[in-house]
Amino acid sequence: DARVTQTPRHKVTEMGQEVTMRCQPILGHNTVFWYRQTMMQGLELLAYFRNRAPLDDSGMPKDRFSAEMPDATLATLKIQPSEPRDSAVYFCASALGETQYFGPGTRLLVL
Amino acid sequence: GQQLNQSPQSMFIQEGEDVSMNCTSSSIFNTWLWYKQEPGEGPVLLIALYKAGELTSNGRLTAQFGITRKDSFLNISASIPSDVGIYFCAGQQGTYKYIFGTGTRLKVLA
Repeated sequence: DARVTQTPRHKVTEMGQEVTMRCQPILGHNTVFWYRQTMMQGLELLAYFRNRAPLDDSGMPKDRFSAEMPDATLATLKIQPSEPRDSAVYFCASALGETQYFGPGTRLLVL
Repeated sequence: GQQLNQSPQSMFIQEGEDVSMNCTSSSIFNTWLWYKQEPGEGPVLLIALYKAGELTSNGRLTAQFGITRKDSFLNISASIPSDVGIYFCAGQQGTYKYIFGTGTRLKVLA
């Protein structure tokens, strides 16, 4: 049963610290997405990659967020420095065609 | 960011009742998707719609792609307690890019 995996599942950190979230897409999927979910804003697309190349990161605050795919089995989302308003659930999703499969999310709390 | 409007925002229904929810947009979409999210998990795809007017079923779930391409509907028949969760619509905006709705929170009372 192929699934998207994300680590860590939960992260509590202090304002100003660096946060790195990791995602392992489903093997063979060539498109990877990062979303952020909050009560106020719902599900927002932050960035997505196709064949490891960034296609669109217009939803991501550029000054503190960065997303990369070092290889086909790993996507990372970094926040440096983190702020309390970054508290949210961050989801990774992968796709081969049009259907996106979501991971379980990383629940981030920045104090 | 842009969001699709879903209604109702939340529903409390009795087990066995039918459920209807909808999603509207000011923009035209070529594809509509419906997802369900359970607590502590990511959204899971329920139904995908690719053509205006299309009506597609998945078990007790039926979804329709509106003729105007600006809306979509999801119906759940004979609801059961495990239907509880948040239901999201999503519209395709450009290749690979989807805009998600605000969600409909469903609670089923046994």
